Amino acid sequence: DQQVKQNSPSLSVQEGRISILNCDYTNSMFDYFLWYKKYPAEGPTFLISISSIKDKNEDGRFTVFLNKSAKHLSLHIVPSQPGDSAVYFCAASPDSNYQLIWGAGTKLIIKP
Amino acid sequence: ETGVTQSPTHLIKTRGQQVTLRCSSQSGHNTVSWYQQALGQGPQFIFQYYREEENGRGNFPPRFSGLQFPNYSSELNVNALELDDSALYLCASSLMQGRETQYFGPGTRLLVL
Repeated sequence: DQQVKQNSPSLSVQEGRISILNCDYTNSMFDYFLWYKKYPAEGPTFLISISSIKDKNEDGRFTVFLNKSAKHLSLHIVPSQPGDSAVYFCAASPDSNYQLIWGAGTKLIIKP
Repeated sequence: ETGVTQSPTHLIKTRGQQVTLRCSSQSGHNTVSWYQQALGQGPQFIFQYYREEENGRGNFPPRFSGLQFPNYSSELNVNALELDDSALYLCASSLMQGRETQYFGPGTRLLVL
């Protein structure tokens, strides 16, 4: 039972354009969402988070949008840079505890 | 300030053996979480330790156990290894329990033959 789904295993985007990574969840008890980035041979690195009381959070080139009614969140990266090539994980946390439930990841490839 | 470190980086064991993986938290962090990441999947929460006490556990059998030491370093022990235990094991530390940002180590790649 996958509670957090990233349906695109990979995404290829031209440098300078916008990258949009999507994530869907099924558990209505999730109230905190995070995006992590992972390079090969390294652990995941925190990117940005959003609480369910918000529908948007922005940090530099990264913006996360949350649509609670659709149980959907997305990460926008603009403009995309070669260093953004990595695997991106969406994770969610229920209000009852602090466990993170992770999606399977989307591999983002930025083409020069 | 040193980051999260894990040892060993790679390990090969045979079915039925026992393994101990180690994690040193980032300086000042008192909470450690362990995750298992199978190939092509996202990390799965194993358990979390806060000030040397287990503070939450995922859907893993009792043969997965852990310890946190007074210096907040941590161990993950797995007994009676099975082939499906082959995975990347990630350790993450945070300043305190709760919705604090977790900082991950590079992981230990375990192969069970």
